[in-house]
Order: sequence, then structure tokens, then C-alpha cells
Amino acid sequence: EVQLVESGGGLVQPGGSLRLSCTASGFTFSRYWMSWVRQAPGKGLEWLANVNQDGSLEQYVDSVRGRFTISRDNANNALLLQMNSLRVEDTALYYCARVGTGVVERGFDYWGQGTLVTVSS
Amino acid sequence: DVVMTQTPLSLSVTPGQPASISCKSSQSLLSSEGKTYLYWYLQKPGQPPQVLIYEVSNRFSGVPDRFSGSGSGTDFTLKISRVEADDVGVYYCMQSTYVPWTFGQGTKVEIK
Repeated sequence: EVQLVESGGGLVQPGGSLRLSCTASGFTFSRYWMSWVRQAPGKGLEWLANVNQDGSLEQYVDSVRGRFTISRDNANNALLLQMNSLRVEDTALYYCARVGTGVVERGFDYWGQGTLVTVSS
Repeated sequence: DVVMTQTPLSLSVTPGQPASISCKSSQSLLSSEGKTYLYWYLQKPGQPPQVLIYEVSNRFSGVPDRFSGSGSGTDFTLKISRVEADDVGVYYCMQSTYVPWTFGQGTKVEIK
């Protein structure tokens, strides 16, 4: 069974940093692109970043480029999101999602439950 | 960035009746590879999103056949032939033809 479990969320002050992790199981992690998607309270979904299978290619939305860094540790089946210079508007539930291959190519076929990040003074 | 516009933003449907959600993109989603990367997701209350439809019209494994997707270019539609109580939630379209990948605003479906 595919499982994605996020961790690392919490309360942080504006300007601070946080590192999110997503532990994957139930599939061969190194064969899939992975993504982070967030959802502000009561709002819609926002794609943040993708990373390819070996971590050599990263893609970002403009609102986080230069502040957030997506990476992966294939040896430990982990997806990471380093978040720096956090702003109040970064407050959201952060989801880890698997990008499908073959079926659901370039779409998300599995999602984690999310980890909540609150940026507030 | 490609803007995805969904209509309506909310829908109240009697069980057993059909429902339809429109999603329009600000530019054609037909890729250079000849595929159209348009997806539909349902986010049930308190849950992460789940994929319903991939590449415009293909139902994901386990998705009931009352869900169907259609469209091309910039205009896409999700149809539910007979709405059931379990279909409540927010429906999102998403494009991944272009980076950044972008979602529609969401359509909230409730049961009358």
C-alpha cells in the first residue's frame, strides 16, 4: 500500500525557517517524481515544487522560488522541503504528493495527509 | 502562468440528479507530445485530494463510472451522471502541461 507521511510542521515566526519531511513507503520511491502542494486555511490548492527521480531537476512556483528548496533522499525514501524566509501568507497545510508514471502521468496519484505550518508572531 | 477558471464555484444537487463542472484554461493544454495534461481531483471534507480523472477523460482506478471527463484545448468538463451522498466535497481541475502546474479555484458540491 502506498503511504506518504508528512512531518515537521509547526509554529514559526515570520522570517524563520522550517524543514518538512515526507516519508514514503509501499512503492519504489526512486522511480517517481515527487511534489509539494499546499492549502491555506479555507482556500484552494497551490502546487509548490517538483523534483525528479534522482533530484537533479527541481521546478518551483514563483511565490516560493528562492525561499523554498525541494530535495530528496532516495536511500531513506524521503522527500524534503526546506522553507526559509517564511511569511504569514505561507501558513497552510503542506501535502506531499506522488507524481504518477504511465497512468496519471504528470498528475498526482497519491497524497499524504499533510502537515500544518503556521507562520505568526 | 496558466489560469484555470472553474464554474460554478458551488453546486447543490439532489441525489440521483446529474451535475456538471466547467474548467477553462487561459491557454491550450495540448502539449508538444500530443497529450493534454488536465486532471480532476475531489477533496472530501477533512481529507487530502484524490484523483478522479487524468488526461481529460480517463478514470483513475476505482473511480465509479458515473464520473466522466471531456473537453479539449481550453474547455473541459467533469460530469457526474447521478450524484450520490459520497460525492460531496470540493472538485478541482489542474493542468500540468505547463510549469507552474496550476489548479482551478475549486467547486464545492453539496447535497440538497
